Amino acid sequence: ETGVTQTPRHLVMGMTNKKSLKCEQHLGHNAMYWYKQSAKKPLELMFVYSLEERVENNSVPSRFSPECPNSSHLFLHLHTLQPEDSALYLCASSQAGALAGELFFGEGSRLTVL
Amino acid sequence: AQTVTQSQPEMSVQEAETVTLSCTYDTSENNYYLFWYKQPPSRQMILVIRQEAYKQQNATENRFSVNFQKAAKSFSLKISDSQLGDTAMYFCALSRGTSYGKLTFGQGTILTVHP
Repeated sequence: ETGVTQTPRHLVMGMTNKKSLKCEQHLGHNAMYWYKQSAKKPLELMFVYSLEERVENNSVPSRFSPECPNSSHLFLHLHTLQPEDSALYLCASSQAGALAGELFFGEGSRLTVL
Repeated sequence: AQTVTQSQPEMSVQEAETVTLSCTYDTSENNYYLFWYKQPPSRQMILVIRQEAYKQQNATENRFSVNFQKAAKSFSLKISDSQLGDTAMYFCALSRGTSYGKLTFGQGTILTVHP
């Protein structure tokens, strides 16, 4: 098992669909993150969960809804998305408080909104 | 608000040569970390090197080293003896304080190593 696994790797959805992105980490970390990577833009931090509590919501529209049922799993529920939401969504994990910023990333879920 | 700027969208280097990627940043924090991350094509982003702001000594990891100029808010990455496997997008990142992975990233520099 790789450290951080994201599924699906590719997703195409219409603006009225509801879908979810899944992230699973096998590293024993206690913090998980969603980052958005758009073409020609810096990575944007979306959400941070520490010990399963959301500690950061970076002004993300409500059409993105995160869920962290336990320290190993993180979901991003998507509904009524816009074409500009097309991007690579990266999940990451870390040990909160220690070696701050040493993130372990998944390969990402490439989302296309039609 | 924090900012990270990478002014070189693309760089190229011949195999075995040395290349330097530039990064400048701005923060009001007194203590923070700076990072270089590498994202190979269609592969996971991985940490290359980390610098703690309170340490004056520049970090080194094998062929990778940084030139950290705190007063100038500059943090460049030097790759020595470039290898084909170094071809990737490189991101400079700044932590928000010292807790969690709340990073502010630069726009990235695409580095191509030519044989």
